[in-house]
Amino acid sequence: TQLLEQSPQFLSIQEGENLTVYCNSSSVFSSLQWYRQEPGEGPVLLVTVVTGGEVKKLKRLTFQFGDARKDSSLHITAAQTGDTGLYLCAGDDAGNNRKLIWGLGTSLAVNP
Amino acid sequence: DAGVIQSPRHEVTEMGQEVTLRCKPISGHDYLFWYRQTMMRGLELLIYFNNNVPIDDSGMPEDRFSAKMPNASFSTLKIQPSEPRDSAVYFCASSPRQFPLSVLTFGAGSRLTVL
Repeated sequence: TQLLEQSPQFLSIQEGENLTVYCNSSSVFSSLQWYRQEPGEGPVLLVTVVTGGEVKKLKRLTFQFGDARKDSSLHITAAQTGDTGLYLCAGDDAGNNRKLIWGLGTSLAVNP
Repeated sequence: DAGVIQSPRHEVTEMGQEVTLRCKPISGHDYLFWYRQTMMRGLELLIYFNNNVPIDDSGMPEDRFSAKMPNASFSTLKIQPSEPRDSAVYFCASSPRQFPLSVLTFGAGSRLTVL
């Protein structure tokens, strides 16, 4: 069974700090998505990365897809309390009937 | 569009009872997915439909679980009989297309507690 490992599992920081969370696998993915989930809600898609080495920016969030398309990172600059939530990565496994493989997530708490 | 609508938002039931969860996908989305989320196992795909037809139900835990999509605007996930280990948040999601560039839109989830 393919796995996407996310680290750290939990992260608590102060407003204004920078942080990076990681999503790693031993398998290659056709694409990888990042979602944010707030308590009591479903995950919301933030970005999809497709090309190895690709970097995408969404305001203060920077997403990078590894050159080998096995890993990804999410960097948040000057975190705000509104960034609090569960960050999930999901990889598109082209060899498994195109199912998404999900990580368990990084739970981020940004304190005022 | 109102997004993906799920009901009920919360369900508390006793072991052995039948549970039915409902989902209305976004109009025009051809794909519908049912997921289960727990702390230990994260998000697990149970089943997905394309144009109302079940494509892959290999994630359905056992025969106690069944899902239907009688039309493009409605789907149900039924558990009969329910067991305490079924306690989880169940999400429905829809997408206008398949991978690699699918855009999953999730509902707010149905939190199920089986006592």
